[in-house]
Amino acid sequence: DAGVIQSPRHEVTEMGQEVTLRCKPISGHNSLFWYRQTMMRGLELLIYFNNNVPIDDSGMPEDRFSAKMPNASFSTLKIQPSEPRDSAVYFCASSRVGAGDQPQHFGDGTRLSIL
Amino acid sequence: DAKTTQPTSMDCAEGRAANLPCNHSTISGNEYVYWYRQIHSQGPQYIIHGLKNNETNEMASLIITEDRKSSTLILPHATLRDTAVYYCIVLRPSGTYKYIFGTGTRLKVLA
Repeated sequence: DAGVIQSPRHEVTEMGQEVTLRCKPISGHNSLFWYRQTMMRGLELLIYFNNNVPIDDSGMPEDRFSAKMPNASFSTLKIQPSEPRDSAVYFCASSRVGAGDQPQHFGDGTRLSIL
Repeated sequence: DAKTTQPTSMDCAEGRAANLPCNHSTISGNEYVYWYRQIHSQGPQYIIHGLKNNETNEMASLIITEDRKSSTLILPHATLRDTAVYYCIVLRPSGTYKYIFGTGTRLKVLA
């Protein structure tokens, strides 16, 4: 079975540019999570969708960050404008929430470098 | 959701069992214990989870103490590929689903 698919795997761009990260969750999963990992702060949850609706976006650092889930099989995380401090690895995870204790399954991440 | 405490690092000889402890003394009755690991440059990989009974799958065993205040992840025959950071997470499935990753345990398997 295909796991969570993220693209691109690596992104290098200049400060001020718009960055879009993409995620395809596991088929049949109804929840999607975006995480960010840095050396300083470790792994942090940014936003969580359930049935394509954002439920908890308290981890989104500021208005420059936005996330959408237009359908059950696709989500984007956008940063506009990007800043060097946004450099991190961004992970997407999916799960079947509401079906008991199902774990989250993670993609391999997008390594983002803002110059 | 309960907070967890894990040792910062551990070494294990290849072929031996690796026992990774986790303390979750404030765990409540409906919170599960989940274990993940992260191999360098990869996403966190789910290993196993449990509520109060011991659990075993093809990757590992999970031993939860009777009072549920601590647990141990056991990799029965560690290999070099098991070198990773291991995270213990406690979560209520009906809550916010917000995994809180601590600093984890950096396990190094030695040849």
